[in-house]
Amino acid sequence: NAGVTQTPKFRILKIGQSMTLQCTQDMNHNYMYWYRQDPGMGLKLIYYSVGAGITDKGEVPNGYNVSRSTTEDFPLRLELAAPSQTSVYFCASSSTSGATLGEQFFGPGTRLTVL
Amino acid sequence: DAKTTQPPSMDCAEGRAANLPCNHSTISGNEYVYWYRQIHSQGPQYIIHGLKNNETNEMASLIITEDRKSSTLILPHATLRDTAVYYCIVRGRRSSVNRDDKIIFGKGTRLHILP
Repeated sequence: NAGVTQTPKFRILKIGQSMTLQCTQDMNHNYMYWYRQDPGMGLKLIYYSVGAGITDKGEVPNGYNVSRSTTEDFPLRLELAAPSQTSVYFCASSSTSGATLGEQFFGPGTRLTVL
Repeated sequence: DAKTTQPPSMDCAEGRAANLPCNHSTISGNEYVYWYRQIHSQGPQYIIHGLKNNETNEMASLIITEDRKSSTLILPHATLRDTAVYYCIVRGRRSSVNRDDKIIFGKGTRLHILP
C-alpha cells in the first residue's frame, strides 16, 4: 500500500490564482481530512469527509472547497489564492473499523507559497 | 482552542526514558487521549491512544491518571530519531468525526534528544 499520497510536493502561486491539491489513499478508509500547518504552529482542520459524497467544514474552511466523489480521492481547491494561505497542507485518512480504528494516517504534505 | 495543555519543549538524554506530560482537565467520559508525533517537515505519525487504562505498544506507553485529567507519554529508551514535536489530542469516539467532535492539534511539545 502506498498509504496517503499528495501532489504536488511544492507549489508557488501568485495572488488570485487557483489550484487543486490532490490527495489519494489506497487503504479504503471512509474518513479523510485536510489540515494546514503554519510555521511553528499545530495543525488546523480545514475540511473533512466521512464518506464519498459527504463533506463538512473544520476549523478554518474559508477560502477552500473540497469534494469527495470517490472513496480514494479528496481534492482541496483554492479558488483565489491569498498570502494568508501560505502554509503546509496535510491530507489524512482514517478507518471506522479494524485494528487501526480511529488512527489517522497522514500524507507527506504540500508546501504552498502564495506571493 | 486545543483541549490539551503541553509544555512547549523538553530535553531528554539519549538512552533515557522521555516522559511527556499532557493536561486535559475538561476531558469528558467518552473522549479518548491520542498521541501523535511530527518529525521535521513530515506528516504527523500516530503513536498510541487510550481511554482510561494504561496502554503500551512497540513505540511507547501511555499512562492516564485515574481522574483522566492528565496523561503521560513515555518513550522508554529515547534515541536521536525520537526528536520531534509530540501532540496530545483529546477526541470523541474513535470512529466519529462531526461538528461537535473536531480533532484539534495544539502546539505540542518539542522534544530534543541530547546525545
